Amino acid sequence: SAVISQKPSRDICQRGTSLTIQCQVDSQVTMMFWYRQQPGQSLTLIATANQGSEATYESGFVIDKFPISRPNLTFSTLTVSNMSPEDSSIYLCSAPTETGIQYFGAGTRLSVL
Amino acid sequence: RKEVEQDPGPFNVPEGATVAFNCTYSNSASQSFFWYRQDCRKEPKLLMSVYSSGNEDGRFTAQLNRASQYISLLIRDSKLSDSATYLCVILGGSGNTPLVFGKGTRLSVIA
Repeated sequence: SAVISQKPSRDICQRGTSLTIQCQVDSQVTMMFWYRQQPGQSLTLIATANQGSEATYESGFVIDKFPISRPNLTFSTLTVSNMSPEDSSIYLCSAPTETGIQYFGAGTRLSVL
Repeated sequence: RKEVEQDPGPFNVPEGATVAFNCTYSNSASQSFFWYRQDCRKEPKLLMSVYSSGNEDGRFTAQLNRASQYISLLIRDSKLSDSATYLCVILGGSGNTPLVFGKGTRLSVIA
């Protein structure tokens, strides 16, 4: 299994500000993924974080709004920029092990006022 | 058609009951299948992988029907601690591809 440390666990932010979420994996992984889970909904993929190249974004998500860094094989950040109340959600990172099973960070619960 | 479809429930069952969840998927090229469990305000955690031959882990049995693109999860002798949302999850490609999640089925086991 993989242990993923994600922080912050929760935050309350003002409209127009930005928040950076960090994920640290206890082993080297090729890919890391960032998901959003809105209240009462399932997980929606935001982007795939590749080490050494730009992240790959899913339809409806853009780099200016959700810039991602992947400086090495154990770490990634997701920034939620210029936040609005619609960005209130749970943000989760995940990483696959060699067996293909993906493990998740504990999530960041974001509330935007 | 959505990639992964599940009955959202809720399923409200008494302790000791047997309950079954179903899931259908649209991508016939999907390679791996999982059931994840998500407790309220927590991250999803792997419950079990699903194989064509079917697999069992204690009170939990998962089955895959590739021809019908259908996955099931059976929980026997339900416990209060089984109350959670059960997510049907598909991996379309290799292990380094993202998971595709169903919306989940909510289970409440009642004393």
